[in-house]
Amino acid sequence: KAGVTQTPRYLIKTRGQQVTLSCSPISGHRSVSWYQQTPGQGLQFLFEYFSETQRNKGNFPGRFSGRQFSNSRSEMNVSTLELGDSALYLCASSLTGEIYNEQFFGPGTRLTVL
Amino acid sequence: DAKTTQPPSMDCAEGRAANLPCNHSTISGNEYVYWYRQIHSQGPQYIIHGLKNNETNEMASLIITEDRKSSTLILPHATLRDTAVYYCIVRVGHNDYKLSFGAGTTVTVRA
Repeated sequence: KAGVTQTPRYLIKTRGQQVTLSCSPISGHRSVSWYQQTPGQGLQFLFEYFSETQRNKGNFPGRFSGRQFSNSRSEMNVSTLELGDSALYLCASSLTGEIYNEQFFGPGTRLTVL
Repeated sequence: DAKTTQPPSMDCAEGRAANLPCNHSTISGNEYVYWYRQIHSQGPQYIIHGLKNNETNEMASLIITEDRKSSTLILPHATLRDTAVYYCIVRVGHNDYKLSFGAGTTVTVRA
């Protein structure tokens, strides 16, 4: 069974631009979560989607948004990029997202903002 | 969410068992204990999880104390590839779809 895939793996943008990252969950998984990892803040939860609905949201500004499609694939968008948005963005999929289901992570997208 | 406390780092000899402690003294009855690890620059990898009973899988064993205030992850025969940051996470009972990562324990397996 294929794992979680994320595209692109690496991305370089400049301040003020916007970016869209993509995540394809494991087949059959309907929950997709997004996390940001930086050296200073560690791994932080961004949001979680299930059946195209956002169920949970972390403490990030409105510049960070996401969506999920009917095939469970998900995208996240960051508008008006700032230097501090440079990070590893990780996507995780789970059968239902409930606490008894483990989450499986993708390899991440490394975003660099210049 | 129940908070967890882990030692910042520990060393382990290759081939020996690695015992990773985690304190979660404020855990509630419906909260699960999860362990993940992250090898440098990769996405976190699920290891094991449990509620009350001890659990074992092909990667590790999870020992949860009877009062559930602490747990220990056991890697039975550590290899160099087990060098990673290990995260102990407690998930609440309902409507919690996220993992709250702390700083974790940096485990270094030495030959």
